[in-house]
Order: sequence, then C-alpha cells, then structure tokens
Amino acid sequence: DTEVTQTPKHLVMGMTNKKSLKCEQHMGHRAMYWYKQKAKKPPELMFVYSYEKLSINESVPSRFSPECPNSSLLNLHLHALQPEDSALYLCASSHPDRVNYGYTFGSGTRLTVV
Amino acid sequence: AQSVTQLDSHVSVSEGTPVLLRCNYSSSYSPSLFWYVQHPNKGLQLLLKYTSAATLVKGINGFEAEFKKSETSFHLTKPSAHMSDAAEYFCVVSDAFFSGGYNKLIFGAGTRLAVHP
Repeated sequence: DTEVTQTPKHLVMGMTNKKSLKCEQHMGHRAMYWYKQKAKKPPELMFVYSYEKLSINESVPSRFSPECPNSSLLNLHLHALQPEDSALYLCASSHPDRVNYGYTFGSGTRLTVV
Repeated sequence: AQSVTQLDSHVSVSEGTPVLLRCNYSSSYSPSLFWYVQHPNKGLQLLLKYTSAATLVKGINGFEAEFKKSETSFHLTKPSAHMSDAAEYFCVVSDAFFSGGYNKLIFGAGTRLAVHP
C-alpha cells in the first residue's frame, strides 16, 4: 500500500459545527503532516507529528486541533471555523529514515465553511 | 535557511513542443530538491527528486530535471508536451531535521503550465 487516504473528499460545514478530517497511511511512515492550501497558492504547513508526538505547530489557531491516535492515523478536528478557513486540506507522510525522499500526499479534503 | 524561487508563474506551450519550468534554490548545505505536480482539484504527486546522487534526474511521465550547483538551479524539462501535462508544478526544497525523523518541505510559488492543441 503506497497511498495516503483522506476522508471525506469534500466537506461543507457551518461556523458552529464540529467536524473532523481523517488521514490514514499503511507505509510504515512515522512522520505525518497537515497542510492548508488556498486557491492558486502553494501548500502551507500547519502541523507535524513525528512518532505520534506533535513536533511542529505553525501557530495555527486553536479552532484546528490535530490528533495522532496511532502511527497510521492522523485526524484534524475542526470547531467554530471561519469562512476564510475554506481551503484544500492536505495530509502527507514520510519515512523517518528517508526524510530526503520527500512526502507522499493524500488527495486532500476540500473544505467549505458557510 | 532554504528557499526556492520559481521564475515563471505561467508557462504556455503547444502540444508536442518542449517544456521548460525554471527553479532556483538557496540552501546552506547540499539540498534535497523535488518537483511535485498538482492537477486541478487534486493532491500533489511527486514527479522526481534529487538527493545528491546523479545530477540528471528522470521522473515520471517523461519529465526530467538537472541539478546545477554552480547555477543553484533545478529546472524541469520534457521534450514533448502532452495535453494531460496541463497542471500546477511546484519546485520544493527539503529542510531536513534528521534527529526528529521528519522534515519541512519549502515550496516555491508554483508554475501553471498550459498546453494548447
């Protein structure tokens, strides 16, 4: 299995809703990442988990809450989002001994906040 | 600190003609460099990577890139464009934190490739 699977593919949520994005990989990668991508822009790093521990939080607002329950799964919990949070959310993973081999990205979740 | 500059925000070519997407990097040590492609409403796919082995790197779908240390460049080329190559292309440098088992990828601004019949 050489894929990163993200669900759902599309999500529409109101500003008072609570929802979660899910990311799963079975490649034995021990680093997992959340990126946010606005239209016509490069991805921006949000969070990095390494060996299930949060290693980097790029000053992301607390309405985004990451969770790494095990080495294969990464969640992003969403609460009280704003319309400007609408974006493509990408998950990625990398092998701990091959960090210079790049990431494997999922196909993303297209989030719309109304 | 590492950085990447993609010299063209848009490139337009005719089908069957060569493609050149330009990328310059800045790095304080020997970098790892990548090209990723993103088709509309899709995730990112790794096209090719340079990790200090051969300077001419071949990737998927007929793309290749040459690492030139003296010019700090890593330009992406393809001899003959296909309609399906129309997409956004990102040049990326790795900022590696080996002790932590993870790294940060630093993205260029992207180049949108249009392919005309």
